Amino acid sequence: GAVVSQHPSWVICKSGTSVKIECRSLDFQATTMFWYRQFPKQSLMLMATSNEGSKATYEQGVEKDKFLINHASLTLSTLTVTSAHPEDSSFYICSAGTSGSLGSRYEQYFGPGTRLTVT
Amino acid sequence: GENVEQHPSTLSVQEGDSAVIKCTYSDSASNYFPWYKQELGKGPQLIIDIRSNVGEKKDQRIAVTLNKTAKHFSLHITETQPEDSAVYFCAATFNNAGNMLTFGGGTRLMVKP
Repeated sequence: GAVVSQHPSWVICKSGTSVKIECRSLDFQATTMFWYRQFPKQSLMLMATSNEGSKATYEQGVEKDKFLINHASLTLSTLTVTSAHPEDSSFYICSAGTSGSLGSRYEQYFGPGTRLTVT
Repeated sequence: GENVEQHPSTLSVQEGDSAVIKCTYSDSASNYFPWYKQELGKGPQLIIDIRSNVGEKKDQRIAVTLNKTAKHFSLHITETQPEDSAVYFCAATFNNAGNMLTFGGGTRLMVKP
């Protein structure tokens, strides 16, 4: 159980184009999904938190118009990198968590990641 | 906000030896502490977690200990195997943080055969 998928696993795009990454919780409903960016040999950097049916909350320094996040259902969130540039090349990872309340399970499970290369 | 520090950043052990990774956190309200294993080119995988109402949890060769007073928790891997080689991340969060985790900087564990 607790499987999170991401698609695509890797993508190469040209500078100026947009890329959409999908994150799905396959066997549970995720009220909250998170998007991270990871540079080589570094820890995970939280980009934004999205709750189903509401606007995403972006971390400081993350451009919301560049990284569009949609969380349309309890099992699907998408990240669209708009007008991508080479500096956007990175490993993008999503995670899905159950609702957090005292006494309830609130583990967070990660997808396999998407390697984006912008040429 | 929460701040999590992790040590060491790299750890090399001989197969069969034990490995210990330590993390400290700053927010005394944090009450959930997961550990993740990340292999090259893959997403982090939850391997064990501990909540603040217990001091130790064990699952086969891995164990986690928590000292709430000192605000630190540790991952212990016994009888290490080459397949344990990966980057390990600790994290901390509080119930009402909406599951938002604060991660440590990661430890690259290398198990030499």
